[in-house]
Amino acid sequence: AQSVTQLDSQVPVFEEAPVELRCNYSSSVSVYLFWYVQYPNQGLQLLLKYLSGSTLVESINGFEAEFNKSQTSFHLRKPSVHISDTAEYFCAVSPSGGSNYKLTFGKGTLLTVNP
Amino acid sequence: KAGVTQTPRYLIKTRGQQVTLSCSPISGHRSVSWYQQTPGQGLQFLFEYFSETQRNKGNFPGRFSGRQFSNSRSEMNVSTLELGDSALYLCASSSRQGASYEQYFGPGTRLTVT
Repeated sequence: AQSVTQLDSQVPVFEEAPVELRCNYSSSVSVYLFWYVQYPNQGLQLLLKYLSGSTLVESINGFEAEFNKSQTSFHLRKPSVHISDTAEYFCAVSPSGGSNYKLTFGKGTLLTVNP
Repeated sequence: KAGVTQTPRYLIKTRGQQVTLSCSPISGHRSVSWYQQTPGQGLQFLFEYFSETQRNKGNFPGRFSGRQFSNSRSEMNVSTLELGDSALYLCASSSRQGASYEQYFGPGTRLTVT
């Protein structure tokens, strides 16, 4: 079984400031890791994923996340946030390989970017 | 390509009634998963269908059921509705090919049980 802990339920920041959203996971098997973003009244959008290879993964809109196996973490960072980044962010894992596509999500972190 | 579509977007039902939600995956995707999102429990996996067969199931009572048709469209049914079933129900589609493992979510159906 897997579990995901997002350490902060809310993160307020000012525009152009850096931000880090923390995610830790627990699993008895190897996992793939994902960050999803949810804007108000919308579904989830995949922001970035780690399947294998380089432990640092990047999205097209400036976010990056680093997989740390020893600390079982997959923290999301952005060096300079915009008002439009205001949304809820979910960290998720699924068992790697095999036929199980089930995603286990954290409780989410609400990122609020203030002017 | 068109994205994942879910109908209806909003639904109000009374306790004891049943409800059917529909999900059309991205063209070519054969896997559809369903998730329930509530403020208290967050996002929870309901079940996954692939090629008309249920492949995985979450920890929900038997009142929650689903099916998938030959065109990969999926329906989810909840019988004997309870107040606690009020939630946003999201479906996600995946190709289940190669090492993608990406799931694409629809906008959700917001179910309110009164």
